[in-house]
Amino acid sequence: TQLLEQSPQFLSIQEGENLTVYCNSSSVFSSLQWYRQEPGEGPVLLVTVVTGGEVKKLKRLTFQFGDARKDSSLHITAAQPGDTGLYLCAGDAGNNRKLIWGLGTSLAVNP
Amino acid sequence: DADVTQTPRNRITKTGKRIMLECSQTKGHDRMYWYRQDPGLGLRLIYYSFDVKDINKGEISDGYSVSRQAQAKFSLSLESAIPNQTALYFCATQDRYYGYTFGSGTRLTVV
Repeated sequence: TQLLEQSPQFLSIQEGENLTVYCNSSSVFSSLQWYRQEPGEGPVLLVTVVTGGEVKKLKRLTFQFGDARKDSSLHITAAQPGDTGLYLCAGDAGNNRKLIWGLGTSLAVNP
Repeated sequence: DADVTQTPRNRITKTGKRIMLECSQTKGHDRMYWYRQDPGLGLRLIYYSFDVKDINKGEISDGYSVSRQAQAKFSLSLESAIPNQTALYFCATQDRYYGYTFGSGTRLTVV
């Protein structure tokens, strides 16, 4: 069974701090996606990484795909209260393109 | 209008009742999915459809059925609702680059 483990499970920080959350697996993925979910809403796609070692930036968010395409990280610089939410990673294992989902990191950024 | 619309947003129903959750999309995507989300269990796939004539069971399809009435419409039915089907339900579509677009969800409570 392919699994995606996300850490930490919960994170509470002050506005302006930097943070990194992780998404790890023992399996290789052809691509990996990151989503953010706010309470009462559906997940919203932030980025898709495809190439091992790839780094993508989205304003203050930096996403990296591991060289072996088994893991990924999300780094947020100078976090803001608007970054609060559940961050989910999802891997495409190439199996009819159904995604394997992590359980998420719940981030709270306090003013 | 939202790209993926789910109705109703909230529903309380009694044990044993049949209930239908509806999903419509304006994305023009062939692939559609139904997930449920539970605290601590993450997103779990109920059913998925790659086109109107292709319906597939996900990991937790027991007690559920689906209908793909058109490319744009994908409905989920609970044949005889039970309390452990209380959850947040999401419909999603998938584009050619495999990113998902989720609806806002249906919060279902079975009493």
